[in-house]
Amino acid sequence: NAGVTQTPKFRVLKTGQSMTLLCAQDMNHEYMYWYRQDPGMGLRLIHYSVGEGTTAKGEVPDGYNVSRLKKQNFLLGLESAAPSQTSVYFCASSYPPRVLAFGSGTRLTVV
Amino acid sequence: GIQVEQSPPDLILQEGANSTLRCNFSDSVNNLQWFHQNPWGQLINLFYIPSGTKQNGRLSATTVATERYSLLYISSSQTTDSGVYFCAVEWDGGSQGNLIFGKGTKLSVKP
Repeated sequence: NAGVTQTPKFRVLKTGQSMTLLCAQDMNHEYMYWYRQDPGMGLRLIHYSVGEGTTAKGEVPDGYNVSRLKKQNFLLGLESAAPSQTSVYFCASSYPPRVLAFGSGTRLTVV
Repeated sequence: GIQVEQSPPDLILQEGANSTLRCNFSDSVNNLQWFHQNPWGQLINLFYIPSGTKQNGRLSATTVATERYSLLYISSSQTTDSGVYFCAVEWDGGSQGNLIFGKGTKLSVKP
């Protein structure tokens, strides 16, 4: 039982490049989330999903897209990376009553 | 949207001391959780506590939903308690799954 797994763990992108962050969970959780963490800002919700095939916007969705084609996977896409998207990205999943379990994070630098 | 404020932003303790961390929120909630982020970045759920009181070892938490605050108590602090403590809430009138974090309290426990 691996819990919540994020790949990659580190990535450096050039401005304008695209990439996809993968989150996988093996706990059969319905809810999945993508957060970003910046110094002094806490964690801010980007997008979330309440079930397979559904997605919803969080606090800071601009510049990101997501997909939840399979229950166990939640993908976060950056179509055209910008330096403002330099951050640590955390994926989480939750079980009733929506208690979050987090992955170990992805550190993304956009230069 | 709902506002979440944590205090104090920073706290320095000597090992063995007790502390109280506070989380204020601006509206009614149906979900409140406390998390600890250790110095290596890992996020661990401490409590799911939308109301009432819970205890887990040296940690306990109390949420007074009618007055819109939650408290996290740490007794006999240890150096391993160092890190950042976050509370996260889900607004009662919002979408399920939209869990919003405060900016955290950074705790440093000195030996």
